[in-house]
Amino acid sequence: KAGVTQTPRYLIKTRGQQVTLSCSPISGHRSVSWYQQTPGQGLQFLFEYFSETQRNKGNFPGRFSGRQFSNSRSEMNVSTLELGDSALYLCASSFQGNNEQFFGPGTRLTVL
Amino acid sequence: GQSLEQPSEVTAVEGAIVQINCTYQTSGFYGLSWYQQHDGGAPTFLSYNALDGLEETGRFSSFLSRSDSYGYLLLQELQMKDSASYFCALSAGGGNKLTFGTGTQLKVEL
Repeated sequence: KAGVTQTPRYLIKTRGQQVTLSCSPISGHRSVSWYQQTPGQGLQFLFEYFSETQRNKGNFPGRFSGRQFSNSRSEMNVSTLELGDSALYLCASSFQGNNEQFFGPGTRLTVL
Repeated sequence: GQSLEQPSEVTAVEGAIVQINCTYQTSGFYGLSWYQQHDGGAPTFLSYNALDGLEETGRFSSFLSRSDSYGYLLLQELQMKDSASYFCALSAGGGNKLTFGTGTQLKVEL
């Protein structure tokens, strides 16, 4: 069974631009969560989608948004990029009722 | 909100046993998970405790005491490949939101 895939793997943007990251969960997994990982703040929860609905949301500004499609694939968008948005963005999927989350390799975003 | 504390770094020798502690504060509790992350890699699931006691999975065991808001990960027969960061993570509400601890970098030496 294929794992969680994320595209692109690396991205360089400049301040003020916007970016869209994509995540394809493991087949059959309907829950997709997004996390931001930085050396200073560690792993922080962004949001979770389940059956195309946002089920949980972390403490990030409204510049961070996401969505989930009917095939469970998910995208997250960051608008008006700031230098502090430079991070590894991780996507994780899980099967309903299962406590194990499967993480993708991440997208390394650098904002210049 | 939730917060979790872990030691920032632990060093041990190959073949030894090491314990990584995690204390947490939360207003609600569903369970405590542990994840391993190698440099440049993705976090991978190790274990989950919802109830008090010890869960064993091969060389790794995880313990939870809900009354003490405390858990630990025990790694036995340490191998060089166990050198990685280890995170405890709290599930405290519906859905799959995880609140992660600060992470413990484990260095295994010869």
